[in-house]
Amino acid sequence: DSGVTQTPKHLITATGQRVTLRCSPRSGDLSVYWYQQSLDQGLQFLIQYYNGEERAKGNILERFSAQQFPDLHSELNLSSLELGDSALYFCASSVAPPYNEQFFGPGTRLTVL
Amino acid sequence: KNEVEQSPQNLTAQEGEFITINCSYSVGISALHWLQQHPGGGIVSLFMLSSGKKKHGRLIATINIQEKHSSLHITASHPRDSAVYICAVNYGGSQGNLIFGKGTKLSVKP
Repeated sequence: DSGVTQTPKHLITATGQRVTLRCSPRSGDLSVYWYQQSLDQGLQFLIQYYNGEERAKGNILERFSAQQFPDLHSELNLSSLELGDSALYFCASSVAPPYNEQFFGPGTRLTVL
Repeated sequence: KNEVEQSPQNLTAQEGEFITINCSYSVGISALHWLQQHPGGGIVSLFMLSSGKKKHGRLIATINIQEKHSSLHITASHPRDSAVYICAVNYGGSQGNLIFGKGTKLSVKP
């Protein structure tokens, strides 16, 4: 158990819908990273927050957004969902950027039908 | 283009064999990570290193900064080592986000 929690574990929804994925970092970790793992693209970095502020953006679509709240939990919002958004979404946390070990949550498996 | 290349893509071994997985990257990095992903999907961090060598149990990770290359070794492999092993790097100047290789799928047969 990494200490990082993600909910829900599984999510099945339809195209065009909007979903919210939630992540709680390890106690004491201030930095949260969101990654997407799809069969064709592998693992890709989406976005990073540190202590409530956005620190870096990767291959995140405009239909996706995220935020980190004062209690340090983070939410990833995915809207206007497409079939291609089906993937495993991982959250990871670390003490602080930039170069620390990252601890991964169990992931949320999103299926868009 | 920042790339992380892993080899081999797939690896089948007999229990007890010594295993090596390789990772190369294209530009200077600040740190390299080895991750393990089990069939259930969960990802575990095995090592983070920026120079030299680290050992944890039967796992050894090495990095050669000049050659931009890292290896993950598993000694006395066991069926429970069957997993996907992923190399990832922090490129210099990044905020810590990881760039990943495509992974090596290891299957250890009893």
